[in-house]
Amino acid sequence: EAQVTQNPRYLITVTGKKLTVTCSQNMNHEYMSWYRQDPGLGLRQIYYSMNVEVTDKGDVPEGYKVSRKEKRNFPLILESPSPNQTSLYFCASSSLQGTSGQQYFGPGTRLTVT
Amino acid sequence: QKEVEQNSGPLSVPEGAIASLNCTYSDRGSQSFFWYRQYSGKSPELIMFIYSNGDKEDGRFTAQLNKASQYVSLLIRDSQPSDSATYLCAVTYNFNKFYFGSGTKLNVKP
Repeated sequence: EAQVTQNPRYLITVTGKKLTVTCSQNMNHEYMSWYRQDPGLGLRQIYYSMNVEVTDKGDVPEGYKVSRKEKRNFPLILESPSPNQTSLYFCASSSLQGTSGQQYFGPGTRLTVT
Repeated sequence: QKEVEQNSGPLSVPEGAIASLNCTYSDRGSQSFFWYRQYSGKSPELIMFIYSNGDKEDGRFTAQLNKASQYVSLLIRDSQPSDSATYLCAVTYNFNKFYFGSGTKLNVKP
């Protein structure tokens, strides 16, 4: 089954404790991206990757890091989480072939930073 | 700052009616436009995309794009209770960065 997986699905942590949210896709997609979703603000793009070793900032990259060492994986790293990073996080992937630009979203990771 | 604006709703329509969802965007260079549906507690899923001015139809859904007015809309004909969800409008200039609206919540009443 074609899918994007994220782990963990739920995470409660404390300020300053480094964490990683994993994202993996099995569709051989070149493009992957991370978003956060907050009430009233919609989805905001954190980072994206056009292919292995190619990453760039989205609209809200502060406080986050990413890496793309393998095509299928795109982890999101919070080196020192703060309460304002409490949010619902979605990973998405897309093929760069064709023109649709359709993104396939993972199930989401709900992060709470206390 | 590129902006995508949607009325947050809720938009309530009776079953069988036409639901009209609207979206405006600020970047005239935007190339492609997307409508995603998001059920409560779930991830967004694509309904339609459009990149040319005019209408694009897919079953009960019609996307309308007017680049001169920087306006994109989604019509849902014969609305069903299962269409009740939040609809997200998204735009992109170059398929690298994507900008989403905050979504319109649609309620279809039986």
